[in-house]
Amino acid sequence: DAGITQSPRHKVTETGTPVTLRCHQTENHRYMYWYRQDPGHGLRLIHYSYGVKDTDKGEVSDGYSVSRSKTEDFLLTLESATSSQTSVYFCATGTNEKLFFGSGTQLSVL
Amino acid sequence: KQEVTQIPAALSVPEGENLVLNCSFTDSAIYNLQWFRQDPGKGLTSLLLIQSSQREQTSGRLNASLDKSSGRSTLYIAASQPGDSATYLCAVRSSGTYKYIFGTGTRLKVLA
Repeated sequence: DAGITQSPRHKVTETGTPVTLRCHQTENHRYMYWYRQDPGHGLRLIHYSYGVKDTDKGEVSDGYSVSRSKTEDFLLTLESATSSQTSVYFCATGTNEKLFFGSGTQLSVL
Repeated sequence: KQEVTQIPAALSVPEGENLVLNCSFTDSAIYNLQWFRQDPGKGLTSLLLIQSSQREQTSGRLNASLDKSSGRSTLYIAASQPGDSATYLCAVRSSGTYKYIFGTGTRLKVLA
C-alpha cells in the first residue's frame, strides 16, 4: 500500500461551517487528487495537484478549495459546508502511471 | 470531455463462472486505463493498468483488454470465487492531462 493517510476518518459538522480535510503521503508522489464518492455517481474529481502549489479544478469543484504547500500534504477545504457535500471523500496520489488511494473520510453535513 | 460508462451496474453469478466486466469511454485519445476493486466501506485497490500502446494485461485470474478505436476495455475474471465479490471500477486518463475519470462501477456478487 502507498503510504496515504486521510484525516479525519469521520466528521460531522453543521451547515455553514468551514471544514478542512487532510491528505498526507509518504511516497513522494508528484500528483495528488481529491475525489468524492456518492451512490449513483461513482467517483467524481474535485481538485487535483500536479506539483507543489500547482493545482487545478476537476468536475465538481464548486464550493471546494485546495492547497498544496508541501509535496506530502494536500488539503481540501469546504468553505461553507452544505448538506449536498455530505459524502465520502477519497484522496489519491499518483506516479506518472498509477493511482493509489487512501481509506476515505466520511463527512456528514447536518 | 471524457465520459466513462460501466455496464452492467450490478452482476450476480454462481461460483466458478468466467465473467466479463465492461468499461466504455468516449474519447479514444487516452494515456492509460486502470481497473480498481473496492470492498464495502474501503478505499480502492489497483488491479491492472493498461498503457495506451498495450492491448492487454494479465494478473493471475484477471485479464484486462483495451481497444482504443472502439473506446472499450474489458476485465475478464476467470473461475470466479466468493472473495471476488466487490465493486469494480475503471478509470481513464486522457492524453495531455493528469486527470483520471472514473466509471460508476460494476457491483459483483459471486454466490457460493
